[in-house]
Amino acid sequence: QVQLVESGGGVVQPGRSLRLSCVVSGFSFDTYTMYWVRQAPGKGLEWVAVVTYDAVNKYYADSVKGRFTISRDSSKNTVFLQMNSLGPEDTAVYYCARVGRTSVTRGGFDYWGQGTLVTVSS
Amino acid sequence: EIVMTQSPATLSVSPGERVILSCRASQTVSTNLAWYQQKPGQAPRLLIYPASTRATGVPARFSGSGFGTEFTLTISSLQSEDFGVYYCQQYNYWPLAFGQGTRVEIK
Repeated sequence: QVQLVESGGGVVQPGRSLRLSCVVSGFSFDTYTMYWVRQAPGKGLEWVAVVTYDAVNKYYADSVKGRFTISRDSSKNTVFLQMNSLGPEDTAVYYCARVGRTSVTRGGFDYWGQGTLVTVSS
Repeated sequence: EIVMTQSPATLSVSPGERVILSCRASQTVSTNLAWYQQKPGQAPRLLIYPASTRATGVPARFSGSGFGTEFTLTISSLQSEDFGVYYCQQYNYWPLAFGQGTRVEIK
């Protein structure tokens, strides 16, 4: 069955970095575009970053552009989110999610991980 | 940038009642819209994608409709397990955008 498992969250001081990972299984990783979506405590959902199925294109929300980097490693069936210069506004549960169609960039998300909590605090 | 507006913010409903949730886009998104249900402590669950197609395993009491800027999610007969927050999301344009959510409470 399809599984997405995030890791790498934790408590980090403002200005520091953190790297999240999302290991996927149960589907052909190379045919699906993958996203990171976050949710601040008690708030709604916010798209953060996307890497297309072919790893050619990457897009970022304005709120993280220049600070976050998304990547994927097909040999490890893993999506990464490198987060630099973290601020309190980045405190959230971070989910990785799969677009529900093969070989497209945008779409609804049919599978989600359980989320990993990132807390930015001194 | 497209803004997604959901209404109402909160709904308190008795089991068996019909529920209609609304989602409005600030610009047309065609049928490029998805609906999710999220329960406390859980990841969102895809319900409808695109605008009127139920996702795999979603009960038939959930239905979606709409085109352009106006969309609705209908729960034909609310069950006790349908509590949670419901979000719409457009994927017609960058940046992708979610609505702020509608909380459905069981009366």
